[in-house]
Amino acid sequence: NAGVTQTPKFQVLKTGQSMTLQCAQDMNHEYMSWYRQDPGMGLRLIHYSVGAGITDQGEVPNGYNVSRSTTEDFPLRLLSAAPSQTSVYFCASRLTSGSPPLHFGNGTRLTVT
Amino acid sequence: DQQVKQNSPSLSVQEGRISILNCDYTNSMFDYFLWYKKYPAEGPTFLISISSIKDKNEDGRFTVFLNKSAKHLSLHIVPSQPGDSAVYFCAASDPGSARQLTFGSGTQLTVLP
Repeated sequence: NAGVTQTPKFQVLKTGQSMTLQCAQDMNHEYMSWYRQDPGMGLRLIHYSVGAGITDQGEVPNGYNVSRSTTEDFPLRLLSAAPSQTSVYFCASRLTSGSPPLHFGNGTRLTVT
Repeated sequence: DQQVKQNSPSLSVQEGRISILNCDYTNSMFDYFLWYKKYPAEGPTFLISISSIKDKNEDGRFTVFLNKSAKHLSLHIVPSQPGDSAVYFCAASDPGSARQLTFGSGTQLTVLP
């Protein structure tokens, strides 16, 4: 049972490039979400999904797109990378919207130059 | 404006002593609170939680206290062990918005042998 798997672990992009951060969970969780962690800011919610085909914006959605075509996968797309998107990105899931504790992946460290 | 605040970025304690980590919140709609622990290069892991109908929850060496009137919660670790050295995040959720978690900025705990 792998839990929440994120790839890649590290990525360096140039300003303006696009990329997709992958997230997969094998726990049949309905709810999935993306957070970014920045120094002194804690974890901030980017986008979330309460089930396949349903996504919504979090606190800091600008510059990011998501889709949820299957229960297992929730990729995060950076449309045109900016230095302000340098951060550590965490994907998290839980069984349903009503059960608060989240299970996190190990993160993707992204640097935009 | 941060709704969940951890005002101490760092805390050092001696092995065997008590560690007390503090968290304040401003949103009176929050009714469920959680603590997460994070080691370097790993994702946060759920530690302990408390519902607003309680004022204390205990799990082994970890106890969370909630003071609703002061909008304050604390995590007590007794006795502290070197393996407890990590960043601790407090988080809160309210019944609306799919129970999103709002995180504090974290406290780095160092337990000295």
